[in-house]
Amino acid sequence: DAKTTQPPSMDCAEGRAANLPCNHSTISGNEYVYWYRQIHSQGPQYIIHGLKNNETNEMASLIITEDRKSSTLILPHATLRDTAVYYCIVRALRLRGSYIPTFGRGTSLIVHP
Amino acid sequence: NAGVMQNPRHLVRRRGQEARLRCSPMKGHSHVYWYRQLPEEGLKFMVYLQKENIIDESGMPKERFSAEFPKEGPSILRIQQVVRGDSAAYFCASSPGLAGVNEQFFGPGTRLTVL
Repeated sequence: DAKTTQPPSMDCAEGRAANLPCNHSTISGNEYVYWYRQIHSQGPQYIIHGLKNNETNEMASLIITEDRKSSTLILPHATLRDTAVYYCIVRALRLRGSYIPTFGRGTSLIVHP
Repeated sequence: NAGVMQNPRHLVRRRGQEARLRCSPMKGHSHVYWYRQLPEEGLKFMVYLQKENIIDESGMPKERFSAEFPKEGPSILRIQQVVRGDSAAYFCASSPGLAGVNEQFFGPGTRLTVL
């Protein structure tokens, strides 16, 4: 799996857009970019994923650069409930069809009033 | 459509006892993953199973830990002779197919405390 690098922490004002960056400079062509978040003491929650094109769903938007070496997760109108640790994960097919999603330290996002 | 279920949510064991953690995947999901999260750390992959098969256990400690996903019933993570260092949150996830092209759905976790 390509390694990902994220800032350890960020903060954002409620109602503003939160832009969370992720570097994955060693990504290869068949590797997807996934984003999950973990609200304190809960299980991780899937947010969004993409391969090449930008993606949007009801939770967030994912912007992937043309060279695919970095991406940005955008929460368009952050709320206090978006305070969580956000994980950027890159994964690829391994031997025997096993994918090993690797959760790093992530970015701790604090949304303040 | 119930999500991934884990039980118990909290488990307390004394050193040397056995801990059994159960995970029922989402309906229709045949791929199960176990992760461990130590306090203030990220999730560490332990094992990936499909029905009746262990696909990848590269993250599992070689001793005292075992996992199964029988044809009928939940997946079980078993820790024998627990030690204090086993205290952690254990999360189970399931997916309908290979996780590389399908998102994983996580359960609420089991918090194991070893006294």
